[in-house]
Amino acid sequence: DVKVTQSSRYLVKRTGEKVFLECVQDMDHENMFWYRQDPGLGLRLIYFSYDVKMKEKGDIPEGYSVSREKKERFSLILESASTNQTSMYLCASSFQKRETIYEQYFGPGTRLTVT
Amino acid sequence: QKEVEQDPGPLSVPEGAIVSLNCTYSNSAFQYFMWYRQYSRKGPELLMYTYSSGNKEDGRFTAQVDKSSKYISLFIRDSQPSDSATYLCAINDYKLSFGAGTTVTVRA
Repeated sequence: DVKVTQSSRYLVKRTGEKVFLECVQDMDHENMFWYRQDPGLGLRLIYFSYDVKMKEKGDIPEGYSVSREKKERFSLILESASTNQTSMYLCASSFQKRETIYEQYFGPGTRLTVT
Repeated sequence: QKEVEQDPGPLSVPEGAIVSLNCTYSNSAFQYFMWYRQYSRKGPELLMYTYSSGNKEDGRFTAQVDKSSKYISLFIRDSQPSDSATYLCAINDYKLSFGAGTTVTVRA
């Protein structure tokens, strides 16, 4: 059974803090993704990675960075948290095989509140 | 313009009703069309996908794609309270673009 785990379910941080969100998958997936989910806006892609040490910007990368030092782990970093980064953050992973490339497996999410 | 548009609802139906969910998309090059289901306080999970045009049926669920009008639909027959969730359409393959999600409540 595919498992994507995220380090925290709930997180409260202060404005200006550096925030690390960790994601680990156990299925040897090549691709990993970070999304944020906001009411009325759906899931928006922040960054994704298709290989170790590789990263590509998604639709809303501003204010975020990522790190992928190992295949199974993908970290999202908020260099200086701001209140408009209060959101649900979802990590996902997938294979690169053409026949299953559309299927992403999601973690349970981290609800981040920045005060 | 967003790549995929979805009415966020919410939608409330009585048990046993047919639920109809729709999305429109902008890029005719898209080939993969997915529906994800997200229960409260959980991450989304793939419910169904369709490659190119046509219908696909899986039990009480039917996914339809009309490429000529760039319209994708999900129908849930004989809806159950356990179908209460947010349904998100998604398009593309490698980098998914999601709709806003429609929250569905099936009343017992």
